Amino acid sequence: SNVLTQPPSVSVAPGKTARITCGGDNIGIKSIHWYQQKPGQAPVLVVYDESDRPSGISERLSGSNSRNTATLTISRVEAGDEADYYCQVWDTSDDHPVFGGGTKLTVL
Amino acid sequence: EVQLVESGGGLVQPGGSLKLSCAASGFTLSGSEIHWVRQASGKGLEWVGRFGSKANSYATAYAASVKGRFTISRDDSQNTAYLQMNSLKTEDTAVYYCTRHAGSSYGYGLDVWGQGTTVTVSS
Repeated sequence: SNVLTQPPSVSVAPGKTARITCGGDNIGIKSIHWYQQKPGQAPVLVVYDESDRPSGISERLSGSNSRNTATLTISRVEAGDEADYYCQVWDTSDDHPVFGGGTKLTVL
Repeated sequence: EVQLVESGGGLVQPGGSLKLSCAASGFTLSGSEIHWVRQASGKGLEWVGRFGSKANSYATAYAASVKGRFTISRDDSQNTAYLQMNSLKTEDTAVYYCTRHAGSSYGYGLDVWGQGTTVTVSS
């Protein structure tokens, strides 16, 4: 199954660490990708293949993955990190992306 | 600059048709796998379909919700991909994005996204 489960919302104070989880069967053996989407904007790839960052993405964003849960960690959270975050894996049966339901990160 | 730009969205009646365009610049579409993803207002991301790369024989594939109604094509001379949408339903109302699979393996995500174009299906 490629169903990915994310918490609808996560809240964190500025300067603290936010952790956004993505659950799925045996997700630990899959390459997982994370996107950030701010209101009115297109999604942006922020982490790929579990823990790699595209050029230009802050080192404060990092990823990890184990067994049934992947985690996007945002360190020293800033107001500008407030956004929706989506995890994604590939359905290998016909090469299409499967997205989690998204998590709204609120910076208090 | 690597970029995708969508166009063609608008208001259409149920049962109508619309054709979206996705123009690429800074890279060659023919060397990439292109996907269409949509997002209804206040909702999450939903995959619509793809035009494959050489790695998957340039094959198209579609989500069950649009199969038989939507068709993806590509014009290499224009470096543009298209999403032809027929028999539109109110539930097709969404912002439609085209996006590029960064590589040919599952270790890569969708690294370039267009700005999106809004499709509204309503009478």
